Amino acid sequence: AQSVTQLGSHVSVSEGALVLLRCNYSSSVPPYLFWYVQYPNQGLQLLLKYTSAATLVKGINGFEAEFKKSETSFHLTKPSAHMSDAAEYFCAVISLGDSSYKLIFGSGTRLLVRP
Amino acid sequence: EPEVTQTPSHQVTQMGQEVILRCVPISNHLYFYWYRQILGQKVEFLVSFYNNEISEKSEIFDDQFSVERPDGSNFTLKIRSTKLEDSAMYFCASSGVGNQPQHFGDGTRLSIL
Repeated sequence: AQSVTQLGSHVSVSEGALVLLRCNYSSSVPPYLFWYVQYPNQGLQLLLKYTSAATLVKGINGFEAEFKKSETSFHLTKPSAHMSDAAEYFCAVISLGDSSYKLIFGSGTRLLVRP
Repeated sequence: EPEVTQTPSHQVTQMGQEVILRCVPISNHLYFYWYRQILGQKVEFLVSFYNNEISEKSEIFDDQFSVERPDGSNFTLKIRSTKLEDSAMYFCASSGVGNQPQHFGDGTRLSIL
């Protein structure tokens, strides 16, 4: 069964600093991995996806993630944090079933950006 | 860009009452999902729906829950007799091809009193 683990329920960075949000996956088959962002009182917005093409995936708002099979990781990074990046970030993996592609989410990481 | 829309944004209901949460998925999508997020917890899968039938459901999705796609555009989640622990944010999602990203609505916050 597929699963993801996000290390750190809260991450705090200064504006302009590097953002690193960690995600490790467990999957018996090549995984399809996603990062979603949730702003307060809003739904989940797709940041980026990994679907076995390039290992370095670029997403919206300057975020990117690198798929590392040897480390079973898919960490999310952004070179320079902006105040507007403050939100909750979820890593997710598709769990394949019979005509079902449900998402299994990590527990989320809340990113705080200090001025 | 097309989006998934959910109504209402907030529903307050007495325990034991029935609620229907409504979703309009993206029009050419084929796979439909409901997830829920209890306050402060992770997003959990409830049910997936494809080809006019449930393709998978979680252990949370018991006999109190049902889903329907009554008219080819709406996708509804019904809870027959609500319990206090059903209080959560409920998200609808859809995707075109199964392993492609799911697009989420803004959710319905369900509060059971």
